[in-house]
Amino acid sequence: NAGVTQTPKFRVLKTGQSMTLLCAQDMNHEYMYWYRQDPGMGLRLIHYSVGEGTTAKGEVPDGYNVSRLKKQNFLLGLESAAPSQTSVYFCASSPRDPTYNEQFFGPGTRLTVL
Amino acid sequence: SQQGEEDPQALSIQEGENATMNCSYKTSINNLQWYRQNSGRGLVHLILIRSNEREKHSGRLRVTLDTSKKSSSLLITASRAADTASYFCATAQNTGFQKLVFGTGTRLLVSP
Repeated sequence: NAGVTQTPKFRVLKTGQSMTLLCAQDMNHEYMYWYRQDPGMGLRLIHYSVGEGTTAKGEVPDGYNVSRLKKQNFLLGLESAAPSQTSVYFCASSPRDPTYNEQFFGPGTRLTVL
Repeated sequence: SQQGEEDPQALSIQEGENATMNCSYKTSINNLQWYRQNSGRGLVHLILIRSNEREKHSGRLRVTLDTSKKSSSLLITASRAADTASYFCATAQNTGFQKLVFGTGTRLLVSP
């Protein structure tokens, strides 16, 4: 199993450009998450999904949109990138089973907005 | 806003020594988890302790939880150079769907 994969690994954008980050998981997990990690800030939740076709806002959702059309994929979109969105983005997933609370993380996407 | 604050922000020790990291949080929780992040990589789950537990062990890891003080500690015994990483605590208020709130992390450097 590949676990959680993220595409691309690195990206440089100019202010105002758009892009989509793709997250895929092969563990049949119900729940998926997008985080951003900034120096000294830990991880902050951007958006999450509790199942196919459902999404919800996290702690820092402004400037981002998400979609979960298939259970295994969770897309994060930046419609008009801003320098403040320079960050490392992590996707994670976890199973529905309430006795199993661990989140599984992807390797991250490093995004620079100039 | 961050739920957890970790202390120290950075820790440098020699191989064979023990490393202790602390995490404080603000609201009531269902469980607290510790994750490790190697440089340039994603986070890896280490251990979970539930709110009704006080101590938990996993290999060289020992985690304690004091809900009255809203704090937790992670002890790594007999550290190895391979333990060099950042360590994050994360709190969860529910079971099942996990809306984790992460702390700011402790950077551990273990020198040979």
